[in-house]
Amino acid sequence: SQQGEEDPQALSIQEGENATMNCSYKTSINNLQWYRQNSGRGLVHLILIRSNEREKHSGRLRVTLDTSKKSSSLLITASRAADTASYFCATDAPGAGANSKLTFGKGITLSVRP
Amino acid sequence: DTEVTQTPKHLVMGMTNKKSLKCEQHMGHRAMYWYKQKAKKPPELMFVYSYEKLSINESVPSRFSPECPNSSLLNLHLHALQPEDSALYLCASSRRLAGGRGRRDTQYFGPGTRLTVL
Repeated sequence: SQQGEEDPQALSIQEGENATMNCSYKTSINNLQWYRQNSGRGLVHLILIRSNEREKHSGRLRVTLDTSKKSSSLLITASRAADTASYFCATDAPGAGANSKLTFGKGITLSVRP
Repeated sequence: DTEVTQTPKHLVMGMTNKKSLKCEQHMGHRAMYWYKQKAKKPPELMFVYSYEKLSINESVPSRFSPECPNSSLLNLHLHALQPEDSALYLCASSRRLAGGRGRRDTQYFGPGTRLTVL
């Protein structure tokens, strides 16, 4: 079963606008990661935020984490048509080494109109 | 080199065929993963290898048989598949399975093999 649930499921914006995507999860985590996937291709790791961090930046990306609400948000500023893709949050929950694993949410489809 | 390569890119097979998917990385990673992804769905973990040993099998049917011949290679052997097994099969690797205090390293994904079972 999915740990992360992204919101919204689909987002369409104009180039230059900011895109905000949210992820909620159910259990405690070690870290939360965001990935991007272009149509039918492999996933690209965007950013990882650890459970003791509240905000992290990487280029045009800003991720926040609220462990009390079990939620995270991914903000892409000044969006570009090339940002069009599916975005997944993935949680790494605590567990005995070999049993810990990354669990992906359902994903958000972002369309950036030129 | 931060690349995970997968071959073939596309594979069409019949239900009686035997085929293999291959994955390779030269980043010195010691954890490797197979995921299955259906259209418009998230990746689902199938197998995890750590230091060339099978660490996790997510109750995958025996018609899927993983193999890790060395630290750089990961294979997925396919036999007697069903049409519902058609999907994108993704390989990933990470530096290790679990870092200190259970933290996981970033997973690097390959481009995937698009499998169609007729």
